[in-house]
Amino acid sequence: QVQLQESGPGLVKPSETLSLTCTVSGSSVTSGSYYWSWIRQPPGKGLEWIGTIHHSGSTNYNPSLKSRLTISIDTSKNQFSLNLSSVTAADTAVYYCARALGYCSDMGCLALPIFWGQGTLVTVSS
Amino acid sequence: DIVMTQSPDSLAVSLGERATIKCKSSQSVLYSSNNKNYLAWYQQKPGQPPKLLIYWASTRQSGVPARFSGSGSGTDFTLTVSSLQAEDVAVYYCQQYYSTPITFGQGTRLEIK
Repeated sequence: QVQLQESGPGLVKPSETLSLTCTVSGSSVTSGSYYWSWIRQPPGKGLEWIGTIHHSGSTNYNPSLKSRLTISIDTSKNQFSLNLSSVTAADTAVYYCARALGYCSDMGCLALPIFWGQGTLVTVSS
Repeated sequence: DIVMTQSPDSLAVSLGERATIKCKSSQSVLYSSNNKNYLAWYQQKPGQPPKLLIYWASTRQSGVPARFSGSGSGTDFTLTVSSLQAEDVAVYYCQQYYSTPITFGQGTRLEIK
């Protein structure tokens, strides 16, 4: 049974870099079928897709975050990670990692999150 | 970006009654080559992550009760709970995965009347 566990600092100072790791168990990040995603949810608000990575190294980022965002994958540890630089209070949210399935259309290929971790709250404050 | 708009924002339905949630996309999410609508529905209970209920607009995820159904095509979609149970109290989100960025509706809170 697949499990995803987010980990990282719960408090980050403004202008610093938010770094989170998702540890996957019960599934391999190198499985060709799956993509690996990050989604966030500000307290009491809706969901925002952050980005996705495939073990091949291909990534797809939300354009609104792209200039500050890096998603990477460590196949040796069966983990993938999120780095978001120059954070502000607007980046305060519960951050979820998810396993996703890739689908393509005439608009490109995206990954549908199908199973989510429990999430971790990251607060940006001095 | 494709904007997803749900209605209503909140809904109260009696136990055993039907609940209907609407989702409208700002542009079509139907891919004509495979005739599939790139539209999903999620359920989020308090303190829990979202759970995938429906994908391709009408395909139930494995293990999802049959009382949940999805319909619609193009830009207009509906999630129906045919007979509301107490455990269905949650916020429901629609999502498009047709074009970058993936976007979600604002959510509909479903409660018991």
